[in-house]
Amino acid sequence: AQSVTQLGSHVSVSEGALVLLRCNYSSSVPPYLFWYVQYPNQGLQLLLKYTTGATLVKGINGFEAEFKKSETSFHLTKPSAHMSDAAEYFCAVSDLKAAGNKLTFGGGTRVLVKP
Amino acid sequence: EAGVTQSPTHLIKTRGQQATLRCSPISGHTSVYWYQQALGLGLQFLLWYDEGEERNRGNFPPRFSGRQFPNYSSELNVNALELEDSALYLCASILGPSSYNEQFFGPGTRLTVL
Repeated sequence: AQSVTQLGSHVSVSEGALVLLRCNYSSSVPPYLFWYVQYPNQGLQLLLKYTTGATLVKGINGFEAEFKKSETSFHLTKPSAHMSDAAEYFCAVSDLKAAGNKLTFGGGTRVLVKP
Repeated sequence: EAGVTQSPTHLIKTRGQQATLRCSPISGHTSVYWYQQALGLGLQFLLWYDEGEERNRGNFPPRFSGRQFPNYSSELNVNALELEDSALYLCASILGPSSYNEQFFGPGTRLTVL
């Protein structure tokens, strides 16, 4: 069975500072990995995804993530936080063979950006 | 291009009643997924429909059911509502059941059970 662990349910960063959100996964097969963002009272929006190929993935809004198989990690970073980055972020893994692309989510990390 | 739409936005029911939630996928998408986002429990997979058939369900009791119509829209029914069913229910659609395809999420229906 797959699982996703996000370290830290809440992260506080200053505007302009580095944003680092940690995600570790467990999967018996090569995973497909995703980061989604959820703004208040909204659905989920895809930030970026890793399927195959280059392990450093660039997404929208200046975010990027690196797939490290040896560490079973897929941490999300952004060099300089903006007030608009305040939201909840979810790491997810999918396994086509197991259940047709259903997503298994981590518990989420809520980001607070201080001026 | 219109995104995934869900209705109603909010739904208030009392314990024991039935709730019906609706989802319209992006045009051309044939697969619909339902997820429950309950306080303290995170996002959990509920149901997956593809080409009108239920393909997989998560660890939820049978009183959670649904269907997918010929136009690929979907309905989630929750019978015999319990207080713990209070949650945001998210629908997502996908072009086809391939992990390379992104799931597009709707804004959700917030169900409150009193």
